[in-house]
Amino acid sequence: DQQVKQNSPSLSVQEGRISILNCDYTNSMFDYFLWYKKYPAEGPTFLISISSIKDKNEDGRFTVFLNKSAKHLSLHIVPSQPGDSAVYFCAASEWDKLTFGKGITLSVRP
Amino acid sequence: EAGVTQFPSHSVIEKGQTVTLRCDPISGHDNLYWYRRVMGKEIKFLLHFVKESKQDESGMPNNRFLAERTGGTYSTLKVQPAELEDSGVYFCASSQDKLAGERNTGELFFGEGSRLTVL
Repeated sequence: DQQVKQNSPSLSVQEGRISILNCDYTNSMFDYFLWYKKYPAEGPTFLISISSIKDKNEDGRFTVFLNKSAKHLSLHIVPSQPGDSAVYFCAASEWDKLTFGKGITLSVRP
Repeated sequence: EAGVTQFPSHSVIEKGQTVTLRCDPISGHDNLYWYRRVMGKEIKFLLHFVKESKQDESGMPNNRFLAERTGGTYSTLKVQPAELEDSGVYFCASSQDKLAGERNTGELFFGEGSRLTVL
């Protein structure tokens, strides 16, 4: 049973617009949530994280929102750029183990 | 500074053969992890080393998989004998150990992965 779910396999947005990537989880024991970005033939690269005691974390164009009651988090990218086109993995941490979602492919159209 | 390096980048073997994947973590990183992604699916945890000790190997699929980290530096993951369902990309990741009382938050440095194809 998947504990971290990314239900949309892909997302296409226009350059300059906002990209919103969603993620749901089921395990209440997760205490950190992360987003990783992956380009083809490369390993995942850490993007941004949020502690379970916070509801928002911002880093430049990237903001992650956490709604613990709904067990939902989202990654906002604004403005989106063509270089943001990649697969984005949502991940949740329980101690030293990461549980990943299936990933969502973001395409940013010029 | 060199990142996490993995070898080979791609291996094609026949069912029943043996394959050994190698991972060199970032120098000084005590934590070393193995993950696997089967095509189109999520990246799944296999195991976690702290230095040379296995901290958590709950994700290892079965006893055909053997991971070692002798001396606490590089690690190997051997699959013997390989089965068709073992095909996928095997990622290695590393991180520094935190100070006493702090916990790892999941910020890992991943290698490019070793793609294994079992025919």
